[in-house]
Amino acid sequence: KQEVTQIPAALSVPEGENLVLNCSFTDSAIYNLQWFRQDPGKGLTSLLLIQSSQREQTSGRLNASLDKSSGRSTLYIAASQPGDSATYLCAVDWNAGNMLTFGGGTRLMVKP
Amino acid sequence: GAVVSQHPSWVICKSGTSVKIECRSLDFQATTMFWYRQFPKQSLMLMATSNEGSKATYEQGVEKDKFLINHASLTLSTLTVTSAHPEDSSFYICSARLAWDQYFGPGTRLLVL
Repeated sequence: KQEVTQIPAALSVPEGENLVLNCSFTDSAIYNLQWFRQDPGKGLTSLLLIQSSQREQTSGRLNASLDKSSGRSTLYIAASQPGDSATYLCAVDWNAGNMLTFGGGTRLMVKP
Repeated sequence: GAVVSQHPSWVICKSGTSVKIECRSLDFQATTMFWYRQFPKQSLMLMATSNEGSKATYEQGVEKDKFLINHASLTLSTLTVTSAHPEDSSFYICSARLAWDQYFGPGTRLLVL
């Protein structure tokens, strides 16, 4: 069964810390993997998308890596800010755009 | 570009009534749209895949007679929650497929009293 797992489920850090969010998936034959941000009661904001052939993507203070062989992706957030507080979701596409399987998310709180 | 809208953004209804949620791709055509449901503090779960001009494909455990999906045009899919009950209260999010990517709507919060 194709599943996506995110650890930790919740994380609280002081402002300024660098942090890593983890995502693991059961089947390495992915098409792509995507990281989303969701603010409370809101929809999804796409942060980074890593194609199967790529190893990482960067956008500003965010860096996402992909290791298909081990079934893992990490989202690295540098110099965290209170505005980064949100739930971060990892989603895997195994079927080239047919559906996304989401992890349970990591609720991040960055304290001033 | 690639903007998806949902209407309404939130709705409160009485138990037993039906509620229709619209998902529109504003600046592109989408032959495939997806409907997800998210319960509080849980992740998104795919409910069904909506294909323009054909019947929707429902995920296991999702009642097709309760959650009616109509993909009438290349820019509009609707989800109707029929005879809604309090346990249907949730956050419903749609996405529209463009090439191999999905673009998400802002979600609709449904509260059934």
